[in-house]
Amino acid sequence: DTAVSQTPKYLVTQMGNDKSIKCEQNLGHDTMYWYKQDSKKFLKIMFSYNNKELIINETVPNRFSPKSPDKAHLNLHINSLELGDSAVYFCASSQEQLRGWKYNPPLHFGNGTRLTVT
Amino acid sequence: DQQVKQNSPSLSVQEGRISILNCDYTNSMFDYFLWYKKYPAEGPTFLISISSIKDKNEDGRFTVFLNKSAKHLSLHIVPSQPGDSAVYFCAASRGTGNQFYFGTGTSLTVIP
Repeated sequence: DTAVSQTPKYLVTQMGNDKSIKCEQNLGHDTMYWYKQDSKKFLKIMFSYNNKELIINETVPNRFSPKSPDKAHLNLHINSLELGDSAVYFCASSQEQLRGWKYNPPLHFGNGTRLTVT
Repeated sequence: DQQVKQNSPSLSVQEGRISILNCDYTNSMFDYFLWYKKYPAEGPTFLISISSIKDKNEDGRFTVFLNKSAKHLSLHIVPSQPGDSAVYFCAASRGTGNQFYFGTGTSLTVIP
């Protein structure tokens, strides 16, 4: 009963292709995220979705587009893949902020998708 | 613009001894700090957190210390166990509705 699951685990593809990574969470969380960990191990946020609304959109290329069909899913579509897109992509979710709690709730991560663009 | 830094990429400790992992940050507006643990081929899992109104938070063998004046936090693991061998990330955020900023991780190896 994996809490945050993402598929595929590994993805090898050629430059110029279009690919998707799927993510599902069964925790009942209302916010989901995509993070990218590059070769230097920097873990940076790409997107977050809350109730089907994009609330954070960092400066990522518009070739990347998140799609959320419902609260439990946040898929990542990547068009025209480039060599520099090679990285590990992590999906994550977090619960609704508790009343009176003034900090961001912790993230629950999936196991990552290692994308290799050749 | 790396606002959270972990300057030690790796650390080796004997089983039973104390492990101390360090983290520095540059943004004085950060008010919430977390440590995550990551095993190979898995995602990071939340370990322990501390808010800026505290200087220490303890959970079993894990204690996080926060020194706001030095913009420094540390994670102490006592006693260290082989199962603690993993990569540890620190993260920070400010307020709510904002992103977490992560360090680049420290790989801890606990030697039996």
